[in-house]
Amino acid sequence: GAVVSQHPSRVICKSGTSVKIECRSLDFQATTMFWYRQFPKQSLMLMATSNEGSKATYEQGVEKDKFLINHASLTLSTLTVTSAHPEDSSFYICSARDPREAGEQYFGPGTRLTVT
Amino acid sequence: AQSVTQPDIHITVSEGASLELRCNYSYGATPYLFWYVQSPGQGLQLLLKYFSGDTLVQGIKGFEAEFKRSQSSFNLRKPSVHWSDAAEYFCAVGANTGNQFYFGTGTSLTVIP
Repeated sequence: GAVVSQHPSRVICKSGTSVKIECRSLDFQATTMFWYRQFPKQSLMLMATSNEGSKATYEQGVEKDKFLINHASLTLSTLTVTSAHPEDSSFYICSARDPREAGEQYFGPGTRLTVT
Repeated sequence: AQSVTQPDIHITVSEGASLELRCNYSYGATPYLFWYVQSPGQGLQLLLKYFSGDTLVQGIKGFEAEFKRSQSSFNLRKPSVHWSDAAEYFCAVGANTGNQFYFGTGTSLTVIP
């Protein structure tokens, strides 16, 4: 099956700094990628939908200036958490659609962000 | 509105016992249904999916699920649970034309010896 990677798997940053998380589709071209956030013992909440070559679509309540998404190529989307604060600490998971396969998304392994 | 309900927040079963995790959905279009498993600190692993056809779907690790349109349900089952099955299980619904997945709140499974 298709593989999606995320980097880094874990990151610790200081409050006020920015951190970038990469999501790559390794063996397919993903026109659409998704970014989810998961708090401990909770479900995945969609943050935004990222389309290659266009602006991301953010879900209600997600600050687009804080969570910058760039989908510059068909295999790479990045999420940058700007001016991070401790409340941004969370597990971030990306997924990607393979346009050759109807309806399915492939999930990355996730990135654990801790803001100190 | 689209939604997925997993009524059981936490389930405890004995090793070797049978398991059923419930999932109900509300979706305006023809649903694509998924079950994922997540171990602590890990990403999601797809157990099985239903798009169309036979309503009883076989997945990995001995899991199966049955799609019941009349009940808007997609319950996950396993005849004999192993200790390694302890994890968080998520039901999700999506669509072919739509992009977004809707996840349930998850069911945490504990397996006791």
